Amino acid sequence: GAVVSQHPSWVICKSGTSVKIECRSLDFQATTMFWYRQFPKQSLMLMATSNEGSKATYEQGVEKDKFLINHASLTLSTLTVTSAHPEDSSFYICSARGGTATNYGYTFGSGTRLTVV
Amino acid sequence: LAKTTQPISMDSYEGQEVNITCSHNNIATNDYITWYQQFPSQGPRFIIQGYKTKVTNEVASLFIPADRKSSTLSLPRVSLSDTAVYYCLVAYNQAGTALIFGKGTTLSVSS
Repeated sequence: GAVVSQHPSWVICKSGTSVKIECRSLDFQATTMFWYRQFPKQSLMLMATSNEGSKATYEQGVEKDKFLINHASLTLSTLTVTSAHPEDSSFYICSARGGTATNYGYTFGSGTRLTVV
Repeated sequence: LAKTTQPISMDSYEGQEVNITCSHNNIATNDYITWYQQFPSQGPRFIIQGYKTKVTNEVASLFIPADRKSSTLSLPRVSLSDTAVYYCLVAYNQAGTALIFGKGTTLSVSS
């Protein structure tokens, strides 16, 4: 149990366009999901907390107007990178808390590699 | 927020036991210690979690001394496929809901 699916696994987009990344909890309901960003050879950095039915909570330094988060249902959160630029190229990972995982509920998606050209 | 300190990298050979120690001097009373494994271009995968003493599962053991200021992840008889980054986690964001990652330890296993 406790599977988190992320889509797409990779995406290439042109500078100035927007890209949407989906994160789904497949076998459990997740009222809270988390979005991380990871640059090459670096650790995961928490970007925001996605709350079902309410506004996301962003970490300090993360532009909420650039990284739009929508958590419209108990199984789906989306991250939209708006007006993407090459510096937004990164590995984006979502996480959800819930299900019956023995690790007190933190399950991670497989990540999305975003390349902005 | 509790901060973790791990070796940046470790090298091992197949079949050996690997012990990765994590220092977390400021761990809070209620915090658990969780270890994750991450392969390149994949999300982190849960390995093991503990609060005190020793925890063992099918893939690893976790040793936590009484003062809980450190912990050691033990991987028995590693194989090439254990080459990955290992993260020791004790911290949460200010809201206390999301895991905060430190730098991790890159383990390289050779034949």
